[in-house]
Amino acid sequence: GESVGLHLPTLSVQEGDNSIINCAYSNSASDYFIWYKQESGKGPQFIIDIRSNMDKRQGQRVTVLLNKTVKHLSLQIAATQPGDSAVYFCAENTDSYDKVIFGPGTSLSVIP
Amino acid sequence: DAGVTQSPTHLIKTRGQQVTLRCSPKSGHDTVSWYQQALGQGPQFIFQYYEEEERQRGNFPDRFSGHQFPNYSSELNVNALLLGDSALYLCASSLAAGRRISGANVLTFGAGSRLTVL
Repeated sequence: GESVGLHLPTLSVQEGDNSIINCAYSNSASDYFIWYKQESGKGPQFIIDIRSNMDKRQGQRVTVLLNKTVKHLSLQIAATQPGDSAVYFCAENTDSYDKVIFGPGTSLSVIP
Repeated sequence: DAGVTQSPTHLIKTRGQQVTLRCSPKSGHDTVSWYQQALGQGPQFIFQYYEEEERQRGNFPDRFSGHQFPNYSSELNVNALLLGDSALYLCASSLAAGRRISGANVLTFGAGSRLTVL
């Protein structure tokens, strides 16, 4: 069945360091992947997305890498800041449907 | 431009009761999805409404039902509440596939309704 999972449930990084959050997915039909950030008391907030015809996409301080061979997705955050502390979810979607499937999440803590 | 708004923000019910949660989508969006997020877990898809009909459904019992109105707003109803229904209920809106730019962000979430069942 469809599932999206994360390797690391918690991650602590020093302020200014780079963070890498990993995610595995099992549905080879998924062609669109999204990273969301969820702060306490808020709904998930879009960070960055990538389509399956791409291997890498960069945003402001964030980069998403997609390895379709091993069905692996990662989010890299450069120069991590205290405001980056949150739970990060990877999610997958197939273009034919709007259903988005979320993984369990990784809690990122930034140490000042 | 208001994003997705949900009400109420918090509510407490007892087992066996019924609850209705409400959602107004982001302006310009026509599709509403509902998710249940238990503490410490990722959001789980409940169902999606488009053109006032349930288009897709996740692995949730019939106690969970919904409705979409002509103005695209939506309600989530849960009957015969169980303790395990305690969770954050998230509403997300989107523009239906085929009408959005390919690869564009799919979902915009509200802040959720926190339901506690005692």
